[in-house]
Amino acid sequence: GAVVSQHPSRVICKSGTSVKIECRSLDFQATTMFWYRQFPKQSLMLMATSNEGSKATYEQGVEKDKFLINHASLTLSTLTVTSAHPEDSSFYICSAPDSKQGLNTEAFFGQGTRLTVV
Amino acid sequence: TQLLEQSPQFLSIQEGENLTVYCNSSSVFSSLQWYRQEPGEGPVLLVTVVTGGEVKKLKRLTFQFGDARKDSSLHITAAQPGDTGLYLCAGEAAGGGADGLTFGKGTHLIIQP
Repeated sequence: GAVVSQHPSRVICKSGTSVKIECRSLDFQATTMFWYRQFPKQSLMLMATSNEGSKATYEQGVEKDKFLINHASLTLSTLTVTSAHPEDSSFYICSAPDSKQGLNTEAFFGQGTRLTVV
Repeated sequence: TQLLEQSPQFLSIQEGENLTVYCNSSSVFSSLQWYRQEPGEGPVLLVTVVTGGEVKKLKRLTFQFGDARKDSSLHITAAQPGDTGLYLCAGEAAGGGADGLTFGKGTHLIIQP
């Protein structure tokens, strides 16, 4: 199957600093990528849809100035958590759909990033 | 907005028992996928069901897509401790494309030895 690589897998930062998370599709082009947040023992919560070459689409309640998304190429999307606060501590996961012609879309997930803001 | 109701949200059973996880919606999906996620990892696709009434088997796991393509179930036979994890169902809206998947809330499964 397709491979999506997410980096870093774990990061600890000080309150007030910014953290960048990268999501790469390694063997396919992804015009769209999705960013999720997951709290302990809960399901995935979609934060935003990243679109190559255009602005990201944010879900209701997600601050676009807080969570900056850049999808500059067909294989890379980045999520920057700006001015991080302890409440931003969470598990962030990206995914990219690999739509094969005539087949259904399957989502391939990155390994996730555990962000801890201290 | 399409919603997927997944149940149960939490299940703890003994090794060797059988279990079923349900995923229900009032909406029709063009396909439905089941994922398994281990702590600290991203979800991994287990199976995709596409045709109404379709049944797929993956070793001790049996997946079924409802005839109307609004619901799905995952049945595990003789559960093993290695089956422990978070199971997520996700539906693709009719029309497909890059509109994303709608996820259920997940089922946390613990298999006790």
